[in-house]
Amino acid sequence: NAGVTQTPKFQVLKTGQSMTLQCAQDMNHNSMYWYRQDPGMGLRLIYYSASEGTTDKGEVPNGYNVSRLNKREFSLRLESAAPSQTSVYFCAARQGGPKYEQYFGPGTRLTVT
Amino acid sequence: AQSVTQPDIHITVSEGASLELRCNYSYGATPYLFWYVQSPGQGLQLLLKYFSGDTLVQGIKGFEAEFKRSQSSFNLRKPSVHWSDAAEYFCALLEYGNKLVFGAGTILRVKS
Repeated sequence: NAGVTQTPKFQVLKTGQSMTLQCAQDMNHNSMYWYRQDPGMGLRLIYYSASEGTTDKGEVPNGYNVSRLNKREFSLRLESAAPSQTSVYFCAARQGGPKYEQYFGPGTRLTVT
Repeated sequence: AQSVTQPDIHITVSEGASLELRCNYSYGATPYLFWYVQSPGQGLQLLLKYFSGDTLVQGIKGFEAEFKRSQSSFNLRKPSVHWSDAAEYFCALLEYGNKLVFGAGTILRVKS
């Protein structure tokens, strides 16, 4: 089992460019999450999907869109990248109710110049 | 609003010494609390979690945490730190909707 995988690992964009960060999980978990990590701010939730076919905004959704393509895949799209979106992005997956832990992917380091 | 505060941004401990990382939370009901560890360039790994019951919970890698409702705290401890424990540690709270709220993190440095 690979767990949670993310592609790419690193990306450099110019301001205004678009890109999609990919996330896939092979654990058959219902819920998936996208976070961004910035120094001194911990992880902040961008969007989440409680189950296939549903998505909801988190704490910092502006400038992002998501797609829950199927149970395995949850992608994050930046339509017009801005330097403020330079960050490390983590995808996570979790089974069912609150007592289950979230499993995190290895992260994507994105730089917007 | 729910929040998690980790007062120490950096902590340096000598190898073999004891460790305590502080975490305070703000939440209206009984909290579900977690400690995660992140090694450089890696994702997050769960160390331990608290849902209810015993206030002292044991985790992996020799870590434990104590939940104190009266102090709204969930501090992480380890009796003897190893060089491989150098990492960033995050305390997190599960809020309504099964979403995690993270503290800002504490970077642990271990000196030999």
